[in-house]
Amino acid sequence: DTGVSQDPRHKITKRGQNVTFRCDPISEHNRLYWYRQTLGQGPEFLTYFQNEAQLEKSRLLSDRFSAERPKGSFSTLEIQRTEQGDSAMYLCASSPEGVDTQYFGPGTRLTVL
Amino acid sequence: GEDVEQSLFLSVREGDSSVINCTYTDSSSTYLYWYKQEPGAGLQLLTYIFSNMDMKQDQRLTVLLNKKDKHLSLRIADTQTGDSAIYFCAEKKGPGGYNKLIFGAGTRLAVHP
Repeated sequence: DTGVSQDPRHKITKRGQNVTFRCDPISEHNRLYWYRQTLGQGPEFLTYFQNEAQLEKSRLLSDRFSAERPKGSFSTLEIQRTEQGDSAMYLCASSPEGVDTQYFGPGTRLTVL
Repeated sequence: GEDVEQSLFLSVREGDSSVINCTYTDSSSTYLYWYKQEPGAGLQLLTYIFSNMDMKQDQRLTVLLNKKDKHLSLRIADTQTGDSAIYFCAEKKGPGGYNKLIFGAGTRLAVHP
């Protein structure tokens, strides 16, 4: 088991463009989380999946953000019409059923010019 | 995170003990965590403590929990240069929080010779 993986590791885009990030959780982990971390801050919760169901969304997740986990395995996070304020590290984490620890991936660093 | 507070910076000499402090506000939090983040990397789970415990020791790490004062600390014995990183305290929200973690802003630990 190689842990949580995220792709890409870095993304530079121009304002107004759409971007999509992918997260592959640890196999057999049915819970998947997305967080956003801005410079000098701790991660902030964005959304949570249990299997393929999106069970909770933060108010930080504006209409321009959408997350999916169609088969209950990998997940994607899409940001439409990116803004400079979207520049951040996007972190994915996973945990197995009944276990209260979350394991994080290396993150995708987004820079919006 | 507005619910979790940490001091921003700590400097220690190699070989000394480090103590990183954290206060949280949600008395219903069931688990509290310490994560480590090195530059440009994701978060590494160091240790965690259940809210009905006062102390947990794991090799060089000791976690103390004062539930009455909502105070959590992480002690690192025999601090090494490889311990230089940002340390995040996090609380798991109470029932209905779907394991959502609330993080502090992080404490930057600098270890000098």
